[in-house]
Amino acid sequence: KAGVTQTPRYLIKTRGQQVTLSCSPISGHRSVSWYQQTPGQGLQFLFEYFSETQRNKGNFPGRFSGRQFSNSRSEMNVSTLELGDSALYLCASSLMGGSYTFGSGTRLTIV
Amino acid sequence: QKEVEQNSGPLSVPEGAIASLNCTYSDRGSQSFFWYRQYSGKSPELIMFIYSNGDKEDGRFTAQLNKASQYVSLLIRDSQPSDSATYLCAVSEDSGGSNYKLTFGKGTLLTVNP
Repeated sequence: KAGVTQTPRYLIKTRGQQVTLSCSPISGHRSVSWYQQTPGQGLQFLFEYFSETQRNKGNFPGRFSGRQFSNSRSEMNVSTLELGDSALYLCASSLMGGSYTFGSGTRLTIV
Repeated sequence: QKEVEQNSGPLSVPEGAIASLNCTYSDRGSQSFFWYRQYSGKSPELIMFIYSNGDKEDGRFTAQLNKASQYVSLLIRDSQPSDSATYLCAVSEDSGGSNYKLTFGKGTLLTVNP
């Protein structure tokens, strides 16, 4: 059974650019959640999608957005990148509640 | 602002001992509680969840929940060096498994010494 697949694994961008990260959930999982993980703040919730609808959103600026496609694959986009956006971005899929399976993450570095 | 507090550690225990990891949460409306393990350089993986007051056992792991005290803990019996990792406590508002938003603590680093 394939796990949660995130691409790319690593990304280096410069300030002001934008970036799109991709996540393919476990087959049959309709919920996809995104988290930002940094050493200082830990895991922080970005948003959650279910059947192409955003159901929950965390306390991040509007530069952070996402979407989900009909096949449950999800993307998140960050525009006008700032140095503070450097982090590990984790996608998690779930069949039930907070019982997540996380992907390996995308390590985003802003220079 | 909902908060989940954990002692950052490191918590160091000898092999074979019981490791006790603790977590407190601020939101009395929290209903579901999760423990995740994260090895260095890896993504978190679910160990277990608990919804009701009391103890829940799964192999060497026991989760304990006390909603009145807003306290949840994880006990690891017969600790092994392979248990060395950061343990993340997470809470959710919903009890029915339909709320997919978790608030995580910053984690406790556990080191099990051979």
